Amino acid sequence: QSVLTQPPSVSGAPGQRVTISCAGSNSNIGAGYDVHWYQQLPGTAPKLLIYGNNNRPSGVPDRFSGSKSGTSASLAITGLQAEDETDYYCQSFDSRLSGYVFGTGTTVTVL
Amino acid sequence: QVQLQESGPGLVKPSETVSLTCTVSGGSLSGYYWSWIRQPPGKGLEWIGYIYDSGSTNYSPSLKIRVTISGDTSKNQLSLKLRSVTAADTAVYYCARVQMGWFDSWGQGSLVTVSS
Repeated sequence: QSVLTQPPSVSGAPGQRVTISCAGSNSNIGAGYDVHWYQQLPGTAPKLLIYGNNNRPSGVPDRFSGSKSGTSASLAITGLQAEDETDYYCQSFDSRLSGYVFGTGTTVTVL
Repeated sequence: QVQLQESGPGLVKPSETVSLTCTVSGGSLSGYYWSWIRQPPGKGLEWIGYIYDSGSTNYSPSLKIRVTISGDTSKNQLSLKLRSVTAADTAVYYCARVQMGWFDSWGQGSLVTVSS
């Protein structure tokens, strides 16, 4: 059971901007723990996309950006491309569970 | 660049124990946290637990009574044992390196199917 809630799906036309929300609580995001984002292509392992709320690993396009406010976080994809059509997960730490937690996952569809 | 490779039995019978191994190359187990994460077919990611420097461990409360994670620094390997498995434990199991709270390197995953 995920403690971070994401919309099941978001969609947008090529070139548009889409955002994926990640809703948490006062025991995880709201407690000050960082949020990280992963991209998972079909049949492959998740790949780190954003770490520490808004930092991109080397090689990740600057079309991807993250933000955090209060008990929630967001991933934004600007200039949407066909290759962005896949699954995305947020992740943080939860003090009540004393462990790492993932979001429910969001599928991005490029129209 | 560190690389992780999981290996396991593939098919396990209900009530048995599944054992998985993660071999780390291009880096050392020492000084890092290492986690196991699983993903049932068509579903989301679930954190199982972590081990630090092949010593201290921490497990998900929902799996704690059935899980053991250990490490062997001489072989640069992690292991996961999950006891009393049921069909609900059918999943792809990943090992990953933890870097200050995020998972920066992942294995390709090992599918475990629980079936009689």
